[in-house]
Amino acid sequence: DGGITQSPKYLFRKEGQNVTLSCEQNLNHDAMYWYRQDPGQGLRLIYYSQIVNDFQKGDIAEGYSVSREKKESFPLTVTSAQKNPTAFYLCASSPNGQNRYNEQFFGPGTRLTVL
Amino acid sequence: SQQGEEDPQALSIQEGENATMNCSYKTSINNLQWYRQNSGRGLVHLILIRSNEREKHSGRLRVTLDTSKKSSSLLITASRAADTASYFCATVNAGNNRKLIWGLGTSLAVNP
Repeated sequence: DGGITQSPKYLFRKEGQNVTLSCEQNLNHDAMYWYRQDPGQGLRLIYYSQIVNDFQKGDIAEGYSVSREKKESFPLTVTSAQKNPTAFYLCASSPNGQNRYNEQFFGPGTRLTVL
Repeated sequence: SQQGEEDPQALSIQEGENATMNCSYKTSINNLQWYRQNSGRGLVHLILIRSNEREKHSGRLRVTLDTSKKSSSLLITASRAADTASYFCATVNAGNNRKLIWGLGTSLAVNP
């Protein structure tokens, strides 16, 4: 899982509550990403950030929000507007957002369950 | 949006056998990457092949790329039980270097 940490590993939330998932990296990477993975599915991009204080919506941004106030941190908030938030959430980073050949490094993931 | 499609969806083999997984994609790419995911864990990058390359090796892994057919294959030779995982292909599309476009993955089971 490299130098990316996600916390917590498991998270339970009641319907109607917002919850924030943490993602921290010590790899000095410029770009960071949030993905959602549902059972038997590939990864779907929620938000990504190429540089501090800037981020863009991915393919499924509705009901989610992010911030990028520090290079090493990219927290994801799952809001009550997200209709089906139960999923496995993965954070990733890559060295330079402008370099098209970069691989992505992943954290261990957070499994969110809405009760 | 999903672009890559892996084939087969699931594969079960015996230890020592070779495992081949295929990935097809739809648009022109800059590069294609293969990742591995153990159950309930994050993904690990395995290998990257650029659009002007046809074959690449890394240890027991061999990746081929056929841009005319828009397809790639991942071969794992002399498989081990520890190779049991899901394998995903992801592409960086030409003209958009910011995102990886992911396939749905192949689930590989290597039986001891």
